[in-house]
Amino acid sequence: EVQLVESGGVVVQAGESLRLSCAASGFTFDDYTIHWVRQAPGKGLEWVSLISWDGGTTYYADSVKGRFTISRDNSKNSLYLQMNSLTTEDTALYFCAKDAAKRIVVGGDFDYWGQGTLVTVSS
Amino acid sequence: SYELTQPPSVSVSPGQTASVTCSGDNLGDKYVSWYQQKPGQSPVQVIYQDRKRPSGIPERFSGSNSGNTATLTISGTQAMDEADYFCQAWDISTVVFGGGTKLTVL
Repeated sequence: EVQLVESGGVVVQAGESLRLSCAASGFTFDDYTIHWVRQAPGKGLEWVSLISWDGGTTYYADSVKGRFTISRDNSKNSLYLQMNSLTTEDTALYFCAKDAAKRIVVGGDFDYWGQGTLVTVSS
Repeated sequence: SYELTQPPSVSVSPGQTASVTCSGDNLGDKYVSWYQQKPGQSPVQVIYQDRKRPSGIPERFSGSNSGNTATLTISGTQAMDEADYFCQAWDISTVVFGGGTKLTVL
């Protein structure tokens, strides 16, 4: 059974940093691109970032470029999101989501999602 | 930047057909996926590559995509289909989601 379990969400002050983690199981982790998607309270889905199966390619939404860094450790079946210079606009539930197709970077879709971890940035 | 536009809300009576649209420039040239999200739950994929259904998704869910509009159609809508629905496509190297449509079954 595919499982994605996010952790690390807490309440932080604006300007602070935070690192989120996503632990994966039930599939061959190093065959798939993984994404971070966030959802502000009561709002829609916003794509944040992706990292290719081998970690060699990363892309970011303009809203987080230069502040967030996505990484993965395939030996630990884990995905990370380092978030710096947080603002109140970053307050959201952060999901990790698995790409449906093996070894593609762009053009895919999301077949499994975690339950999310809540990041609250206070001013 | 590329935008996908969805109606904020759609209402349908039980047993009737619901259509949720997603509009974007030349959207028909891209693949569109659809996700269902119920309150307090994570999104679930219901359609991918315009019209394909993942395993376990009921046949009443179908999709189409042509021109500037993709459509999610739910035939014989059931109360359990009440949820938010989001369309998704790619703009070169970034993922774009529509703003979401709240489907009410009443």
